[in-house]
Amino acid sequence: DSGVTQTPKHLITATGQRVTLRCSPRSGDLSVYWYQQSLDQGLQFLIQYYNGEERAKGNILERFSAQQFPDLHSELNLSSLELGDSALYFCASSPGQVPETQYFGPGTRLLVL
Amino acid sequence: DQQVKQNSPSLSVQEGRISILNCDYTNSMFDYFLWYKKYPAEGPTFLISISSIKDKNEDGRFTVFLNKSAKHLSLHIVPSQPGDSAVYFCALGSSNTGKLIFGQGTTLQVKP
Repeated sequence: DSGVTQTPKHLITATGQRVTLRCSPRSGDLSVYWYQQSLDQGLQFLIQYYNGEERAKGNILERFSAQQFPDLHSELNLSSLELGDSALYFCASSPGQVPETQYFGPGTRLLVL
Repeated sequence: DQQVKQNSPSLSVQEGRISILNCDYTNSMFDYFLWYKKYPAEGPTFLISISSIKDKNEDGRFTVFLNKSAKHLSLHIVPSQPGDSAVYFCALGSSNTGKLIFGQGTTLQVKP
């Protein structure tokens, strides 16, 4: 158990819909990262928040957005969903800004039908 | 443009022997390097890391080697155990940008 929790574990929805994925970091960790893992691709970095502020941005689509709240939990919002958005979405946390060590949650499996 | 490559999609070794997993990169901006292990249906688990100021870091059966001039990273597992069978990802990070870029992964199978 990494100490990072993600909800829900599974999500099935339809194209065009919007969903919210939730992540709680390990106690004391200030950074939260979001990753997407599709079947045909490795882990793709989406975005990082540090202590409530966006710190780094990766291959995140404009239809996706994220935020980190004062209690440090984070939400990833995916809108206008397409079939290709079906993937595993992982959240990770680290103590500081730089992910020299990074602890991953179990992931949310999203299926868009 | 793949900045990080794990050229071997799979590797099979006998229990007790050495497993060597490799990772090549193209960009000199990376200043820290990590290895993760992943079982199916679980999130990646951090194994070991190394910063760019070192060329070797050891933790038990796991040793990571960094050759900056060759832009090459490797993970050695000695001795390999059947429980090591998993997908191994290298990940390269830049402290300037905070980004972490993962390789495609190598599936290691350790045979009893």
